[in-house]
Order: sequence, then C-alpha cells, then structure tokens
Amino acid sequence: EPEVTQTPSHQVTQMGQEVILRCVPISNHLYFYWYRQILGQKVEFLVSFYNNEISEKSEIFDDQFSVERPDGSNFTLKIRSTKLEDSAMYFCASLQDTHTDTQYFGPGTRLTVL
Amino acid sequence: GENVEQHPSTLSVQEGDSAVIKCTYSDSASNYFPWYKQELGKGPQLIIDIRSNVGEKKDQRIAVTLNKTAKHFSLHITETQPEDSAVYFCAAPKDTGRRALTFGSGTRLQVQP
Repeated sequence: EPEVTQTPSHQVTQMGQEVILRCVPISNHLYFYWYRQILGQKVEFLVSFYNNEISEKSEIFDDQFSVERPDGSNFTLKIRSTKLEDSAMYFCASLQDTHTDTQYFGPGTRLTVL
Repeated sequence: GENVEQHPSTLSVQEGDSAVIKCTYSDSASNYFPWYKQELGKGPQLIIDIRSNVGEKKDQRIAVTLNKTAKHFSLHITETQPEDSAVYFCAAPKDTGRRALTFGSGTRLQVQP
C-alpha cells in the first residue's frame, strides 16, 4: 500500500540553524500538508500546499517557515532560524484530490533544537 | 475556525470491554470527522471516518457515531485487545470548505490484559 515517507526520522540542530525536513507524499496525491506535535500535545496544522502554492497556513507558520515542492516527488519544510520552541514532531500528510477527504500521514520527523 | 474538544484524556479498560471516546465540535457546517490512532513514535493512522450525511459507520470492532444537532461524534471500540492501546485523536476540518484538520487533544487508551 502506498505511504507517505519522511526523512530524516530524527534531526538535532543548534538554535539559529536552518533545517529542511523532507517528505515524499503518495504519488498521485495533489494536496500536501505539514503538521507539528509538541511532545504530549495535540497535532497542530501548519500549512497546506496545492498546485505549487500555499493554499492555507496557520498563525504558527510565520516568516521563519517555508515550503517547497522542488520536483515531482518531494515536499519540503524549511525552518530558517530554529528556536528552542520549534522542537516537536513534524508530520507530512497528503490527500488525493478534491473528491476525497482522507489525509494520510507520514511517520514524522522528530526535530530537537538545542 | 473549528474548535474540537475531546474526552476523556485517559481511558483504561479491561481486555474484552468496550471503550468510548467523545468529541464535540463548534462549526455546524463541518462535514467530515476522522479518527486517528497514534502509536508511540509513529504518525497518526486513520482508523475510521464519517461524513455528515450519515449518523453511524462501522468497521469490524470500530464504529463512529455522529450527532449533528448536538455537534458531537464518538468512537466506539468493542472487544478491546491489548494492541488497541494507543493515543486516539478526533479531528474536524479547520474551517468550512477547507481540508486542513483541527485535532482534539487526544485520548490515551490503555487496554489491560
């Protein structure tokens, strides 16, 4: 069964450094999402992406964040200058098309900012 | 925007018993309600979902019921097994017509063998 994959599984970085989290959505899916989950808390929406542009973003997704689909398979989340409070699990999700609702989540990247 | 409340936060049951987790939502126009299971160190996995044009949906030991008038929906797990132990999240569309999800705060289910 097709699945969303994410790399790396764990990223450790120093405060102020840039990080790029990578996702490969399910191949025929058109909508892509990033969510984050701070340890022990609920999953929170960050941004959605469709047709090569951001379609929606939350108040968490400030100027330090950006997303990109650099080729036909990868979907990336960049944090320009990481802060301690960016430490969390980051999940990528994808959705097939406008006729479906089901979002499929990847296994996540654990980001630790020191 | 949508607000989703979930309870209980923790639930412990004996193997074979039933478990019920409840969620309420705020936007009466919301029309899609998924439930996700999250095991330790993994991403959320969809286990069942329901659209607002039906009141109940069942898949083997798992069922979801929806009360649109009261704006709440519930997950029912029957004949629980130890492998059902996980954190369960309900969700609803963040804003009407959008697909980004607002999640509940999660329920940690522990099934005692």
